[in-house]
Amino acid sequence: NAGVMQNPRHLVRRRGQEARLRCSPMKGHSHVYWYRQLPEEGLKFMVYLQKENIIDESGMPKERFSAEFPKEGPSILRIQQVVRGDSAAYFCASSPRDLFINTEAFFGQGTRLTVV
Amino acid sequence: AQKVTQAQTEISVVEKEDVTLDCVYETRDTTYYLFWYKQPPSGELVFLIRRNSFDEQNEISGRYSWNFQKSTSSFNFTITASQVVDSAVYFCALSENSGNTPLVFGKGTRLSVIA
Repeated sequence: NAGVMQNPRHLVRRRGQEARLRCSPMKGHSHVYWYRQLPEEGLKFMVYLQKENIIDESGMPKERFSAEFPKEGPSILRIQQVVRGDSAAYFCASSPRDLFINTEAFFGQGTRLTVV
Repeated sequence: AQKVTQAQTEISVVEKEDVTLDCVYETRDTTYYLFWYKQPPSGELVFLIRRNSFDEQNEISGRYSWNFQKSTSSFNFTITASQVVDSAVYFCALSENSGNTPLVFGKGTRLSVIA
């Protein structure tokens, strides 16, 4: 049973380009969470999705950022027109049910985005 | 509002010493979950423990132990006989029982174990 798979592990983009980060949840998991970790900081929640639905996007910047979790395929976090401040590690977590119902979130290895 | 505070930014210990990482949380919910994660230098997040608010029993897993005290809103983590492989950043996190509430993380404590 493969864990949460994120790709790419490292991504370099020039300012103004688009970044696409992919997250394949664990088999059987229908809940996906995206977090951002700035250098020397803890993880900050961005968005929570279930298949084809955004449940909570209260942590997403209002502009340039979007996320989806289609019926088929991985969850995608998309950052348009990247700026240097977007440089961070982006983590995806998945769980089989609502997080607080006696389960844990399994995290992927993260994608480290560097904007040059 | 929920908040997690890890006051220790960095700790250095010599191998075989015991070390305690502090975690203090704030929440208005009576039902919540507390977590500890380890982030080694390779960068991934490794789940260590989940504890719900109704279970105040301390837990021991090998060299790891956790002390949950609701009276002081603390969930401290102790490593006994530390090893170099314990060097990592450790995060404490909280999830409230108010819908599908995502984890709120502390800023982490960087532990360096020196041989």
